[in-house]
Amino acid sequence: DAKTTQPTSMDCAEGRAANLPCNHSTISGNEYVYWYRQIHSQGPQYIIHGLKNNETNEMASLIITEDRKSSTLILPHATLRDTAVYYCIVRVGNSGYALNFGKGTSLLVTP
Amino acid sequence: DTAVSQTPKYLVTQMGNDKSIKCEQNLGHDTMYWYKQDSKKFLKIMFSYNNKELIINETVPNRFSPKSPDKAHLNLHINSLELGDSAVYFCASSQGVGERTGELFFGEGSRLTVL
Repeated sequence: DAKTTQPTSMDCAEGRAANLPCNHSTISGNEYVYWYRQIHSQGPQYIIHGLKNNETNEMASLIITEDRKSSTLILPHATLRDTAVYYCIVRVGNSGYALNFGKGTSLLVTP
Repeated sequence: DTAVSQTPKYLVTQMGNDKSIKCEQNLGHDTMYWYKQDSKKFLKIMFSYNNKELIINETVPNRFSPKSPDKAHLNLHINSLELGDSAVYFCASSQGVGERTGELFFGEGSRLTVL
């Protein structure tokens, strides 16, 4: 699986958009980009994933660059409950491949 | 109606003991996983089962033995517990086909403390 690079930590004001970047410059053509988050003391939570097109769901938007070497997770209106560690993971879309979590980005949403 | 449930949530035991953690999912998923999160918060895959068959087995001591009696259950048995086994263990499940296999649903975790 391609490695990812994320900032260690970020801050965001409540109500503003949180833009979390991820670099995955060695991504292969058959690898998807998955985003998860882990709120303190809870199990990780799936957010969104994509291959090359931008994706949006009720939680977030995922913007993938045309060369697929980086992506950005956007939380459009961050709330205090969005404070968590966010993980960007690239992985082949097949059950035979593990979802390997890195260090992630610790996002702090402030009042 | 919890999707992925683990028991027990907390487990405190002595070195050398044997313990089990149970996991059940009611999502109808084909694939189940065990992850370990250590004190430094790194989350590492241990095992993965698809329809009761082992498909991923990372470098885990053979004191750890997963057992899948059916596709809705994946239990973790640990023999001869060591101090380094202290961690939070997460069970997860996913659909067994294509990209959806990356959409994991996690349980709330089982915190194991070995004294």
